Amino acid sequence: DAKTTQPNSMESNEEEPVHLPCNHSTISGTDYIHWYRQLPSQGPEYVIHGLTSNVNNRMASLAIAEDRKSSTLILHRATLRDAAVYYCILRASLSNFGNEKLTFGTGTRLTIIP
Amino acid sequence: DTGVSQDPRHKITKRGQNVTFRCDPISEHNRLYWYRQTLGQGPEFLTYFQNEAQLEKSRLLSDRFSAERPKGSFSTLEIQRTEQGDSAMYLCASSLKWPQTFFGQGTRLTVV
Repeated sequence: DAKTTQPNSMESNEEEPVHLPCNHSTISGTDYIHWYRQLPSQGPEYVIHGLTSNVNNRMASLAIAEDRKSSTLILHRATLRDAAVYYCILRASLSNFGNEKLTFGTGTRLTIIP
Repeated sequence: DTGVSQDPRHKITKRGQNVTFRCDPISEHNRLYWYRQTLGQGPEFLTYFQNEAQLEKSRLLSDRFSAERPKGSFSTLEIQRTEQGDSAMYLCASSLKWPQTFFGQGTRLTVV
């Protein structure tokens, strides 16, 4: 599996936007970029995914670099409830065998400052 | 839809004992996964079922570990002859449509 690199930790002020970076320089053409987050004492939770174009949903936005070697998860207005570990994961498309599992790294621990 | 349910939430066992965990996936989800998470690390994949068929197993799943999903609904994960290194959070997840995977809250195992 292609690897991702994320900062170990980040801090942000409450009600400010947060930009969580992820580098994936060895990404292949069929790899989707997924983001999950894990709140304290909870299982991981799906946030967003994308292939090439930027994506928005009710939780966040995903900005993907033109060369796809990096991406940024954007939380538009962080709240205390967004404090979690955020994981950037590459996952091959459904048509590829062996893409069922998610390969987590150590993620970025996001702390929100009131 | 009550989410993925795992039981028990916490388990303390003595080294050498057998333990069994249960996972109830979201209704009608045909894909079911088990992961293990140790402190400070991300979850690691253990095994995957599509309906009742176990289609993939990680090398992490030693011969002391066995998972079943007998009728394609709930699943059990059994660890025989537990060791202190088995202490971890065991997470179950389910999925119906790619790519969203829904995780339970996990079972925390402590082997003393």
